[in-house]
Amino acid sequence: QKEVEQDPGPLSVPEGAIVSLNCTYSNSAFQYFMWYRQYSRKGPELLMYTYSSGNKEDGRFTAQVDKSSKYISLFIRDSQPSDSATYLCAPNFGNEKLTFGTGTRLTIIP
Amino acid sequence: NAGVTQTPKFQVLKTGQSMTLQCAQDMNHNSMYWYRQDPGMGLRLIYYSASEGTTDKGEVPNGYNVSRLNKREFSLRLESAAPSQTSVYFCASRQRGAGDEKLFFGSGTQLSVL
Repeated sequence: QKEVEQDPGPLSVPEGAIVSLNCTYSNSAFQYFMWYRQYSRKGPELLMYTYSSGNKEDGRFTAQVDKSSKYISLFIRDSQPSDSATYLCAPNFGNEKLTFGTGTRLTIIP
Repeated sequence: NAGVTQTPKFQVLKTGQSMTLQCAQDMNHNSMYWYRQDPGMGLRLIYYSASEGTTDKGEVPNGYNVSRLNKREFSLRLESAAPSQTSVYFCASRQRGAGDEKLFFGSGTQLSVL
């Protein structure tokens, strides 16, 4: 079993829709939960970061962590074509060996 | 502010050839990393350096060597390239203890081994 499972997609939704991206993880010792966004032919960039269960909101983005279920979600409200990218979840211990999900490729259709 | 700079951006090698991927960061970060990204496999850690003068293996170190030349630079060497090393390689850096565990990535090197 992989430490982090993420549906690779691709996922296509119309502009303005609410997008839900999800990951599950197996190691209950993970403490930090991050989402990275990666545009085509670019390196990933940090989008959201949290270290506790519950919700964290930043503009149109909400990160949700349920440690009891080992489930991580990223919600995008009022999705825009500029949100088209690959989204990688990254639950981690806080040590050097960072773990990433395989990424979900998202396309927002104008 | 350049951030993390990787060279080259593209490279084609023949099986058995060697090459070095260069990485430099100008953010005075202690930790630097090399990842490879393959379809369906995500980002996998090859090697990392927690500080100048130290290097450690990640998840997939076989076939690679690294050098932390100084605080700014962290190079990845393929001594005898194999087709299985065809991938996109990313260098990254971060400052541990900064509170957000944020990794800064370079723009990647697309490597093809024929």
